[in-house]
Amino acid sequence: NAGVTQTPKFQVLKTGQSMTLQCAQDMNHEYMSWYRQDPGMGLRLIHYSVGAGITDQGEVPNGYNVSRSTTEDFPLRLLSAAPSQTSVYFCASSYGDPGNTIYFGEGSWLTVV
Amino acid sequence: AQTVTQSQPEMSVQEAETVTLSCTYDTSESNYYLFWYKQPPSRQMILVIRQEAYKQQNATENRFSVNFQKAAKSFSLKISDSQLGDTAMYFCAFMKQGGSQGNLIFGKGTKLSVKP
Repeated sequence: NAGVTQTPKFQVLKTGQSMTLQCAQDMNHEYMSWYRQDPGMGLRLIHYSVGAGITDQGEVPNGYNVSRSTTEDFPLRLLSAAPSQTSVYFCASSYGDPGNTIYFGEGSWLTVV
Repeated sequence: AQTVTQSQPEMSVQEAETVTLSCTYDTSESNYYLFWYKQPPSRQMILVIRQEAYKQQNATENRFSVNFQKAAKSFSLKISDSQLGDTAMYFCAFMKQGGSQGNLIFGKGTKLSVKP
């Protein structure tokens, strides 16, 4: 059981480039989310999904795009990278009642130069 | 909108002693969940403890316990018999019961150092 898998773990981008952070879970969880963590901050919600084909915006969605074509995968796309998007990105998944355990990936370190 | 405040950016404690981390939150919701997450240097997010707002009894998990004061909107974490492995960032987080699963609101964290 791999849990929540994020790739890549480290990435350096140039300003204006686009890329996709991949997230996959093998637990058949319907809920998946993307967070970003900046220095001195807690995690902030970017986008989330309550099931295949359904996505919605979180607190800081600008500059990011998501889709959920399958239950397992929830990729996060940076459309035109900016230095302000330098951050650590976490994918998370869960199921059932809101109080159930949320499983986090190990994080993806993204630097935009 | 909900907010979570952790007023202690950094704390330190001697090994084997007890330390309490503070967290306050603001919400108009009556039903919600509160969490403490640990983030060691590896950056992995690890759930420490969870509290349902409708439960008056404070949650406990081995050496970790909370003091949940609903009227005061306070949710502190007590770590007993501190161990070197407890050194980490600790985040308090809120989730409303009627909201989408996984939509956590985090505080800015408290960096805990356990000294030998």
